Amino acid sequence: EVQLVESGGGLVQPGGSLRLSCAASGFTFSSYSMSWVRQAPGKGLEWLSYISSSSSTIYYADSVKGRFTISRDNAKNSLYLQMNSLRDEDTAVYYCARPVAGYDYWGQGTLVTVSS
Amino acid sequence: DIVMTQSPDSLAVSLGERATINCKSSQSVLNSSNNKNYLVWYQQRPGQPPKLLIYWAFTRESGVPDRFSGSGSGTDFTLTISSLQAEDVAVYYCQQYYGTPHTFGQGTKLEIK
Repeated sequence: EVQLVESGGGLVQPGGSLRLSCAASGFTFSSYSMSWVRQAPGKGLEWLSYISSSSSTIYYADSVKGRFTISRDNAKNSLYLQMNSLRDEDTAVYYCARPVAGYDYWGQGTLVTVSS
Repeated sequence: DIVMTQSPDSLAVSLGERATINCKSSQSVLNSSNNKNYLVWYQQRPGQPPKLLIYWAFTRESGVPDRFSGSGSGTDFTLTISSLQAEDVAVYYCQQYYGTPHTFGQGTKLEIK
């Protein structure tokens, strides 16, 4: 069974940093691209970033470019999102998801709250 | 960026009746090399992550009831629920993955009338 489990969320002050992790299981992680998507409270879905299976191709949304960094460790079946210079508007549930003809598997999400 | 616009923003339908949600992209998401539309539909129930319903604009994901169907091509797409059930109350999103960013529509909230 495919499982994606996010962790690392929490309360952080504006300007602070946080590193999210996504532990993958039930599939050959190293063969798949991965992405991060977020959802602010009561709002819609916002695509954030994409990383190819070998990390050779990476894309970011303009809203996080230069502040967030996506990475992966195929040996640990893990995906990461390093978030720096956090702003109030980054408050959201952050999901990792697997892009295969759309995003076929999603984690349950981890809540990031940016507040002083 | 490709902008995805859904209509309506909210919809109330009686149980057993048809529900129709539209999605329009600001540019074509049809890949002419494989004749596939890079358009998907998701269902999101409260407190849950999105669930993939339809990919390639009209292919139903495994396990999705056949009352859900997708149609359209190019820039105009439709999700139809042929006979609304109580468990279909959710927010529905379209998304294009033709180009990055893989943009989502704003969502359509479906309720029971």
